[in-house]
Amino acid sequence: EVQLVQSGAEVKKPGESLKISCKGSGYNFTTYWIAWVRQMPGKGLEWMGIIYPGDSDTTYSPSFQGQVTISADKSISTAYLQWSSLKASDTAMYYCARPAGYCSSSSCSHLDVWGQGTTVTVSS
Amino acid sequence: EIVLTQSPGTLSLSPGERATLSCRASQSVSSSYLAWYQQKPGQAPRLLIYGASSRATGIPDRFSGSGSGTDFTLTISRLEPEDFAVYHCQQYGSSPLTFGGGTKVEIK
Repeated sequence: EVQLVQSGAEVKKPGESLKISCKGSGYNFTTYWIAWVRQMPGKGLEWMGIIYPGDSDTTYSPSFQGQVTISADKSISTAYLQWSSLKASDTAMYYCARPAGYCSSSSCSHLDVWGQGTTVTVSS
Repeated sequence: EIVLTQSPGTLSLSPGERATLSCRASQSVSSSYLAWYQQKPGQAPRLLIYGASSRATGIPDRFSGSGSGTDFTLTISRLEPEDFAVYHCQQYGSSPLTFGGGTKVEIK
């Protein structure tokens, strides 16, 4: 079964750092992109960026460029989303998802597999 | 950036009724690269439709997608109790990829 399993919920203080993970299984992790999507409380979905684990080629949405870092370790089939200094406005649910096909810097594919989500709460 | 506007924001219907959800793009969506997702409370989104009209694996045929250019529609022919949820459209033909604000289908 193709699966993306994300790390557990996090509660952090403003200014702290954080790295959440997304582990793929049931498919060749290095040949599919991984996307990260944010959903703030009660709001819609926002595309953050994508990474190709095979060579770590990464593209960020302009809204998230410089705010987060997306990375991957293909040896353990895991993608990451990290913050160096969290803000209260980073409080959200974060999903990783697998585009079904090829992605480039200008377009991508529909998201056919989703992780269960990681809740991040940032509060003093 | 392509802005997707979904309407209505909330649709109140009874089981067995037909639901028609709209997704309008601020610019033409290239190659009909438009997807629809269903999201239930506390769950991740689930892919329903891709390429504007192709059903994803395992999706019942009461779900159908149509449209091209800037106007797209998701139709649920007869609502089942499990269909009451939030529906999101997404365009993936132009960077940055964008989602609509969602339509909630609730029980009347």
